[in-house]
Amino acid sequence: SYELTQPPSVSVSPGQTAKITCSGDALPKQHACWYQQKPGQAPMLVIFKDTERPSGIPERFSGSSSGTTVTLIISGVQAEDEADYYCQSGDSGPTYRRVFGTGTKVTVL
Amino acid sequence: EVQLVESGGGLVQPGGSLRLSCAASGFTLSGYWMSWVRQAPGKGLEWVANVKQDATEKFYVDSVTGRFSISRDNARNSLFLQMNSLRVEDTATYYCVRENIGGILDQWGQGILVTVSS
Repeated sequence: SYELTQPPSVSVSPGQTAKITCSGDALPKQHACWYQQKPGQAPMLVIFKDTERPSGIPERFSGSSSGTTVTLIISGVQAEDEADYYCQSGDSGPTYRRVFGTGTKVTVL
Repeated sequence: EVQLVESGGGLVQPGGSLRLSCAASGFTLSGYWMSWVRQAPGKGLEWVANVKQDATEKFYVDSVTGRFSISRDNARNSLFLQMNSLRVEDTATYYCVRENIGGILDQWGQGILVTVSS
């Protein structure tokens, strides 16, 4: 089955930049989204179509895409950004199935 | 304000059945694909199933195909997930999620816990 691979964890000091990668063979053909999930809460969309930010999401959240890898970038990390982050895209092939990445725990030191 | 409220979760024995419901408000359900996403305790997110606006197309993750069935009632602003032949590994919090164009999961319910245990 199709997989999206993320690093298990990323650690960053306040004010620094965190970069979370997501790799998948179908990403050159499929847009990706990113979700933030804090403990005990439902996930929340922070980036869609690789680089677009929903209204209400701080400008420090951005996304980029290159080949089989998409990246979530958090510039000027704040303590409140400590959370789990998941990428998501469509499954490979002619289907409307969805798939999530393995998830990355961001720790603010 | 968009709201998605799940109900119907609880404790069920292996091999049993459960039907989850999701009440949607604040938007027109018939205009959107809808998904169910689950999260086992301490684990990552797993997409489970989705259904087209008019229910003519439905898709499932392999692990639930043949056991789970997604449906919707647009007139009642409701989404459902019928879960049969439940297994211990189906234990998870199940989220009702709205899909925007391109498979963007833009609105999430708070989730409902399903526990499969003897």
